[in-house]
Amino acid sequence: AQSVTQPDIHITVSEGASLELRCNYSYGATPYLFWYVQSPGQGLQLLLKYFSGDTLVQGIKGFEAEFKRSQSSFNLRKPSVHWSDAAEYFCAVGARDSSYKLIFGSGTRLLVRP
Amino acid sequence: DTAVSQTPKYLVTQMGNDKSIKCEQNLGHDTMYWYKQDSKKFLKIMFSYNNKELIINETVPNRFSPKSPDKAHLNLHINSLELGDSAVYFCASSQVGTVGLSYEQYFGPGTRLTVT
Repeated sequence: AQSVTQPDIHITVSEGASLELRCNYSYGATPYLFWYVQSPGQGLQLLLKYFSGDTLVQGIKGFEAEFKRSQSSFNLRKPSVHWSDAAEYFCAVGARDSSYKLIFGSGTRLLVRP
Repeated sequence: DTAVSQTPKYLVTQMGNDKSIKCEQNLGHDTMYWYKQDSKKFLKIMFSYNNKELIINETVPNRFSPKSPDKAHLNLHINSLELGDSAVYFCASSQVGTVGLSYEQYFGPGTRLTVT
């Protein structure tokens, strides 16, 4: 069965510093991978997605993620964090059955230091 | 122009009551979902409807009953509410049919349910 692991519960970075949030997945074939962001009291917003092709994908708000099959990873990066990036970030994998459901990781809370 | 909307945003009720949460999407999608987010922020699928047909029914107590009157609406009715039902419930939608894109889901703002 598919699963997603986000090993970092909390990450704190200074404003202007670079960011990398880790995501590892368990899946037997090429997965469909997603990163979502949830600001406090808000719903989830899709940041970026990987279906196939170029392993480095660009998303909204200056985020990017790299799919590494050999490491079963899909880490999210941003070169310079803004205070408004403080939020909860979720990695998800699409279940390869007829349900089209998403399986989410447990989330990483990003705190931004002024 | 809200893509996926939910009502109410907050719901506070007592144990044993019955309540409903409504969801509407104006994206023209054919598939809608209910997710539950617990106090630790863990998100888990509950139900999914494709063109008004139930396609996912995870291990959820039968006190929870989804209803889809048309493909733009998916409601969640909960009977005999319990303390453990307190959570944030998210509705989402997607357009199933294109490989990969079938998984691209758009979420509503959530309904925070508090059972006292």
